Amino acid sequence: AQTVTQSQPEMSVQEAETVTLSCTYDTSENNYYLFWYKQPPSRQMILVIRQEAYKQQNATENRFSVNFQKAAKSFSLKISDSQLGDTAMYFCAFMKHDQGGSEKLVFGKGTKLTVNP
Amino acid sequence: EAGVTQFPSHSVIEKGQTVTLRCDPISGHDNLYWYRRVMGKEIKFLLHFVKESKQDESGMPNNRFLAERTGGTYSTLKVQPAELEDSGVYFCASSQWVGGSPLHFGNGTRLTVT
Repeated sequence: AQTVTQSQPEMSVQEAETVTLSCTYDTSENNYYLFWYKQPPSRQMILVIRQEAYKQQNATENRFSVNFQKAAKSFSLKISDSQLGDTAMYFCAFMKHDQGGSEKLVFGKGTKLTVNP
Repeated sequence: EAGVTQFPSHSVIEKGQTVTLRCDPISGHDNLYWYRRVMGKEIKFLLHFVKESKQDESGMPNNRFLAERTGGTYSTLKVQPAELEDSGVYFCASSQWVGGSPLHFGNGTRLTVT
């Protein structure tokens, strides 16, 4: 079974600075996907970024980028130029590729990020 | 495009009562998922519908939980009878295809069993 570990329960960062959230996972699969989701106080889970394991290039979405190290099974999220609206719970998630079956997400416990003014 | 909607947003019931949660996925999304987060724990998969069929219900905790998706549109998750350990936030999500399609989540239903 796959597991996802987020070792930082809470983090804080000053506005405009950069912060990196860590995520490691354990799997014997070779074909899979990795995600970061954000859950602000409004409670809606919002997709931040998605990475396909077969792609070596790290995914980026504006101020958000990942450092995907497949051999090390590491998938960290970097937030540049942090904004107050980035304050949220961040979840790392793993999805095994299963074209004919059920592609379900396995989540980490989350990291609570606070951006301070 | 309307997102995934869940109703109610909060529900407080007594142990032994019945509660039904509803999820309306994004129009056109064949895949519908239920997840649950119990306080302090990870978000856990409950089950996955493809249209009206249960593709995977391996995460359902026990037979007090019943999920349906009649007609392949909205879904309901019924808990009967509710127990204290059922308290948590229940999330619904939908996706358009398989092959790593991102899941779009609703706001969740916070269930409190007293």
